[in-house]
Amino acid sequence: GQNIDQPTEMTATEGAIVQINCTYQTSGFNGLFWYQQHAGEAPTFLSYNVLDGLEEKGRFSSFLSRSKGYSYLLLKELQMKDSASYLCAVRDSNYQLIWGAGTKLIIKP
Amino acid sequence: ETGVTQTPRHLVMGMTNKKSLKCEQHLGHNAMYWYKQSAKKPLELMFVYSLEERVENNSVPSRFSPECPNSSHLFLHLHTLQPEDSALYLCASSQARGDQETQYFGPGTRLLVL
Repeated sequence: GQNIDQPTEMTATEGAIVQINCTYQTSGFNGLFWYQQHAGEAPTFLSYNVLDGLEEKGRFSSFLSRSKGYSYLLLKELQMKDSASYLCAVRDSNYQLIWGAGTKLIIKP
Repeated sequence: ETGVTQTPRHLVMGMTNKKSLKCEQHLGHNAMYWYKQSAKKPLELMFVYSLEERVENNSVPSRFSPECPNSSHLFLHLHTLQPEDSALYLCASSQARGDQETQYFGPGTRLLVL
């Protein structure tokens, strides 16, 4: 079966750095997405990786290793507004998005 | 209006009621999706419409009935729901056969079935 694993919950301190991991086992691979979802709001697109390596976008970076079935989202200089759930999703060979259950990130002052 | 909008934002209904959820996208996309989001579970894809044709129906019970009258509008008709159908229902849109086909989501309808 197809599976996306990510930690259920993480806690970090304001101003620090946090890495949220995502491992996947899917039938084929056509890209990996990270979304941010604040409580009661829509998931919003953060990043897309289709080739191995690191993609940087301001305070957020996303890394992909296709051979290891692994990605991470790196958040630097954490702010209180970064408290949210972070969703990892992989597009499989049928171009379907397979979603993880999300990682709830709690930022403490 | 910009992006993807959904109405209503909150809905409480009895098991014998009939209601409809509405989604509208203002992004010029040609594919639209209905998802169910339950607490601590992955997003569950329910239906996909591409170029106004239904291309995916993931074994969703017949008490959920989608309708896509044009590429900008999507409805989810609900009837004789069960309490376990209580969840957040999210609509999304994308440009099918686009470069990334990134999906953009609406704010969702929080549904409670009593």
